[in-house]
Amino acid sequence: GAVVSQHPSWVICKSGTSVKIECRSLDFQATTMFWYRQFPKQSLMLMATSNEGSKATYEQGVEKDKFLINHASLTLSTLTVTSAHPEDSSFYICSAPARRESHEQYFGPGTRLTVT
Amino acid sequence: AQSVTQLGSHVSVSEGALVLLRCNYSSSVPPYLFWYVQYPNQGLQLLLKYTSAATLVKGINGFEAEFKKSETSFHLTKPSAHMSDAAEYFCAVNLSGNTPLVFGKGTRLSVIA
Repeated sequence: GAVVSQHPSWVICKSGTSVKIECRSLDFQATTMFWYRQFPKQSLMLMATSNEGSKATYEQGVEKDKFLINHASLTLSTLTVTSAHPEDSSFYICSAPARRESHEQYFGPGTRLTVT
Repeated sequence: AQSVTQLGSHVSVSEGALVLLRCNYSSSVPPYLFWYVQYPNQGLQLLLKYTSAATLVKGINGFEAEFKKSETSFHLTKPSAHMSDAAEYFCAVNLSGNTPLVFGKGTRLSVIA
């Protein structure tokens, strides 16, 4: 079946630095990808919708200048956390829609970000 | 707008006992409903989905769920719990194939030996 990968699987960075997380669709094209954030013992919350070739759409309360999303190709979306703070420490998960008629999403394995 | 409510943030069952995890949805149009399982520090694994075909949906690992429109419910069940079922379970909904899923708050299932 279709697979979505994320890289890195975990990352530790210092406060004030930036970190980039990649989300790739491995055997299908994804014009749209979704980025979620999951804090410990909480559910997944949608951060933004990444659209190939156009600007991302951010959910209310998510700072677009802090969480930069680039969807430069049909198989790759990147999320860059700029000027990271300890409160940005979280589990970041991306997903891509499957065939429209299936209504499924293919989820990446997630990236654990720890900001020290 | 659609939403899902999972009743009970934590459910504890004995090994071999029935598992029942509750999910109620709110949607103005017929929804598509999903159950996912998440093990610690891992991503999501799809257990099963309802996409307007059969109302009783069978999934992986012996789980099943029944869509009940009159009760706006999509509860997840398994006849006999196994230790390996201990995990976090999420109910989710969307209205079309190209929109993001909306997740419930999750239910942590503990299985007692």
